Amino acid sequence: DSGVTQTPKHLITATGQRVTLRCSPRSGDLSVYWYQQSLDQGLQFLIQYYNGEERAKGNILERFSAQQFPDLHSELNLSSLELGDSALYFCASSAARPLGYGYTFGSGTRLTVV
Amino acid sequence: GDSVTQMEGPVTLSEEAFLTINCTYTATGYPSLFWYVQYPGEGLQLLLKATKADDKGSNKGFEATYRKETTSFHLEKGSVQVSDSAVYFCALKNFGNEKLTFGTGTRLTIIP
Repeated sequence: DSGVTQTPKHLITATGQRVTLRCSPRSGDLSVYWYQQSLDQGLQFLIQYYNGEERAKGNILERFSAQQFPDLHSELNLSSLELGDSALYFCASSAARPLGYGYTFGSGTRLTVV
Repeated sequence: GDSVTQMEGPVTLSEEAFLTINCTYTATGYPSLFWYVQYPGEGLQLLLKATKADDKGSNKGFEATYRKETTSFHLEKGSVQVSDSAVYFCALKNFGNEKLTFGTGTRLTIIP
């Protein structure tokens, strides 16, 4: 157990629908990162939150949004889903700032859009 | 911008063979470098890291040395096991940017 909890583990939904993925960071970590992993695109950075505020944005579609709550858990909202959104979505957390710190990853949510 | 280039996969080796997975990077300044491993059905786990030039990261028999002159961080293991079968990702984090930049990953399969 890495300490980063993602729910649900699997999600199957239809095109056009909206889903919410949840992430609880490791205790004490203030930063949360969301990544999308697909077969053809590899690991794509979506967005980062630090202590409730958006810190960095990557290749996140306008149909996607995220937030980090006061208790530091984060949610990634995916709307108007398309077949191409099927992927593994990973959340990771890290301690603040130090360059030498890596991330701790959750086990991911596998989203299948049918 | 920062980028990481990894050896194309997949790589298939026999048990006890020597492993090298190449990784080179492009970045300004002095980034920290990482290797992550993803076992089937799991998330990524930090395997090893190095934070400055000539540092050697090591863990579970794997090693990688931060070579600034060649901008490389190649992963090596002297004798691989079937349990090392996984996808390996090289990554960097640069000053002023907390985002980890990943390579495309290299799938490693070890056959008995």
